[in-house]
Amino acid sequence: GAGVSQSPSNKVTEKGKDVELRCDPISGHTALYWYRQSLGQGLEFLIYFQGNSAPDKSGLPSDRFSAERTGGSVSTLTIQRTQQEDSAVYLCASSLMNLYSGANVLTFGAGSRLTVL
Amino acid sequence: GNSVTQMEGPVTLSEEAFLTINCTYTATGYPSLFWYVQYPGEGLQLLLKATKADDKGSNKGFEATYRKETTSFHLEKGSVQVSDSAVYFCALIKNTGNQFYFGTGTSLTVIP
Repeated sequence: GAGVSQSPSNKVTEKGKDVELRCDPISGHTALYWYRQSLGQGLEFLIYFQGNSAPDKSGLPSDRFSAERTGGSVSTLTIQRTQQEDSAVYLCASSLMNLYSGANVLTFGAGSRLTVL
Repeated sequence: GNSVTQMEGPVTLSEEAFLTINCTYTATGYPSLFWYVQYPGEGLQLLLKATKADDKGSNKGFEATYRKETTSFHLEKGSVQVSDSAVYFCALIKNTGNQFYFGTGTSLTVIP
């Protein structure tokens, strides 16, 4: 597509429920990133995909968080047994990864705002 | 390790004032440096970048110079407009890696 699409744009859920957030990157972009932006906080790195594999999962805050990417395209971030502290905007970004790092520009989606009651 | 530190906000300026948002970094090797901007209700978008020491990135009247000696990449604009009101993020990527490191963001409000 023309840009990075994320869905849903807004999600309100009850504590303890599972949620899935979807990211559809720019066609052909091999790298995909998930970040979390909490109120008053910066961007917290969650996970990075190169193709379908995730060489860096170091940012996932707990084992309730998982992500997958299929077909080198769409990615899903799943949060199980949601807690109130999971409330945040979840941002997805993609990049046409290049050996020359200066060319690796991230294109962000508009984000999925998650509110856990 | 690698990290980015940027000045705390929020910053409030009058229209046509001079803007500086400080950013310093810690990185091994020679990273590329970026400024991203997030307008209200929108996703982050690239504002400008610089890939090596002494490079100057510029866009929309904003400038930032990659200073290796001071490990800085301060964002400047000579005359801000109301439409510049946004959150600005400084970021780096290592030249040997794929990981982007972001600062905490600086909120700018420009009043008429």
